[in-house]
Formats: sequence, structure tokens, C-alpha cells
Amino acid sequence: QKEVEQDPGPLSVPEGAIVSLNCTYSNSAFQYFMWYRQYSRKGPELLMYTYSSGNKEDGRFTAQVDKSSKYISLFIRDSQPSDSATYLCAMMAITGGFKTIFGAGTRLFVKA
Amino acid sequence: NAGVTQTPKFRVLKTGQSMTLLCAQDMNHEYMYWYRQDPGMGLRLIHYSVGEGTTAKGEVPDGYNVSRLKKQNFLLGLESAAPSQTSVYFCASSSGQSGNEKLFFGSGTQLSVL
Repeated sequence: QKEVEQDPGPLSVPEGAIVSLNCTYSNSAFQYFMWYRQYSRKGPELLMYTYSSGNKEDGRFTAQVDKSSKYISLFIRDSQPSDSATYLCAMMAITGGFKTIFGAGTRLFVKA
Repeated sequence: NAGVTQTPKFRVLKTGQSMTLLCAQDMNHEYMYWYRQDPGMGLRLIHYSVGEGTTAKGEVPDGYNVSRLKKQNFLLGLESAAPSQTSVYFCASSSGQSGNEKLFFGSGTQLSVL
């Protein structure tokens, strides 16, 4: 079983829709939870990060962490064609060398 | 701002050939990483470095070697390339233990081994 599970999609939505992306994990030591966005033929770029549990909002993006369920989510409101990309969840424990573990990524298509 | 720069962007090798991928960062970051990205597998850590002169193995280190002779550079070597090493390789850097939640990535090297 992978430490981090993420549905690869693809996920196709109309412009303006609310998008929900999710990951589950098995390692209870994870303390940092990140979302990276990767456009085609580009490197990933950090979108949001959260320490421990709770919600974090940044513009149209909201990240949620539920440590009791080992479940994290990224919500995109009023989705735009420019949001079409692969979204990678990532997690890091303070112990174990601060190494980041990535999910497989979910491909998102937002149709105009 | 250049950030993290990888060279080359594309390369085709024959089985058994060797090559070196170069990563350079201009952010004075302590930590540097090499990942490979394969369909359905996500990003997997090959090797990493926590400072100049240091290297450590990641999740999938076999068949690769690395060196960090200068703080700003991190080299990934393939001594005898195999078709299983066909992948997209990404270099990343981070500021250190308290900032490792923020990885900065290069644009990747697409490697095909025939």
C-alpha cells in the first residue's frame, strides 16, 4: 500500500464549477500537507501548504486537513480553464529527514 | 529570477550509455533533491543532499549516483543507462529543515533510454 493515495483522474468539469481534489494517507507522523500544481511539460509549483489539521484559504483555493481520518482535500471555486493542470498532494513528517512524499497526481480539465 | 535550472531538457540514450544531469539553484538553498516522475507513480525521490558535500539515498537510488561539490549545484549521474530509467527527472531545492515544506522545482529533463 502506498503511503499517499490519490485518484489520478482525469477529472473534467465545466468552467465555474467547484472542484474537489482529495488524498488519503497512512502515516500518522505527517505534519505538513501541501498541494502542488503542475502544468504540462513544467515542474510542479507549490500552491498551498498547511501545518497539522484545519483549513487554509487563498483566493479561490481552500485546503482542508482531517488528521483523524488521514484525509486531505483541495477545493477550487469558480474554476477556470487556466486551472487545467495536474494537482499533486504531498506530505512531510518532521521526523525521518524532512522528506516529502507525493501522491500520483490528479489531472484536471476545466472546459470553457 | 532563474530559480532552479536543469540541463539538458531532453536526451535520448542507448542502453549502457552514461550521462550526467545538471541542476543549479540561485536561491542559496541548503537542501537539493532529484526526483523521477512516471505515469501513475507520482514523484519518487532518487537522492538528496542536505548541504554542500553531502548526499543521501532516497526511495529509488539504484542505478544513479549524485554529487554536491558546490552548494548551488547538484549532479545526477547514470553510469549505465537502462530502459527502466526512461522517465522525466526533476531537480528541486528547499531552504532547510524549517522550510522543507516548500520545494522549488526545475522544469525537468525528459530522458529516453532505448
